[in-house]
Amino acid sequence: AQKVTQAQTEISVVEKEDVTLDCVYETRDTTYYLFWYKQPPSGELVFLIRRNSFDEQNEISGRYSWNFQKSTSSFNFTITASQVVDSAVYFCALGTSGTYKYIFGTGTRLKVLA
Amino acid sequence: SQTIHQWPATLVQPVGSPLSLECTVEGTSNPNLYWYRQAAGRGLQLLFYSVGIGQISSEVPQNLSASRPQDRQFILSSKKLLLSDSGFYLCAWSSGGIYNEQFFGPGTRLTVL
Repeated sequence: AQKVTQAQTEISVVEKEDVTLDCVYETRDTTYYLFWYKQPPSGELVFLIRRNSFDEQNEISGRYSWNFQKSTSSFNFTITASQVVDSAVYFCALGTSGTYKYIFGTGTRLKVLA
Repeated sequence: SQTIHQWPATLVQPVGSPLSLECTVEGTSNPNLYWYRQAAGRGLQLLFYSVGIGQISSEVPQNLSASRPQDRQFILSSKKLLLSDSGFYLCAWSSGGIYNEQFFGPGTRLTVL
């Protein structure tokens, strides 16, 4: 069975702190895809990044970085020098070949305090 | 460029009334379409998805139904709303296979009283 676990329900940090959002996934498929989305207070989910199971390269985009480790089935998301605008709910999702369904985690609410 | 529209943005309905939420996508053809519901402070629950006109897959057997009358139109309906139907409804689309990301609409906030 496929599953995505985001164990951190809510995280609060002070502005400029670094914060890591955890994502652990379960799948028996060898080909799969992982995603991160941001849901700001307005409600619309915004796509952040996609990773396929054959590409374990970490990625950095500005203050955002992602660490994909197949050995631990994790795809963690780090925000460096957090800002108030980073306050949102962040979702990790899994897609496996042969299906059109995406499995979402329950989300992590990040609060960045000024 | 592709855009996705949802309406209405907010809706307050009495228990037992019907529901119709509409989602349309522009700028792409044959998208995969999805309806999700998000209860307050909760995660996303997949309700329906469609990979083509007239093709609807239901994930949650409830008093909701979905239809896809046109390639880029996805409608969520109910004949009689329940209190538990309250939530934030999100429509999303993706192209091709599961390797592509989804793009979400602005959502409809439904309150059933």
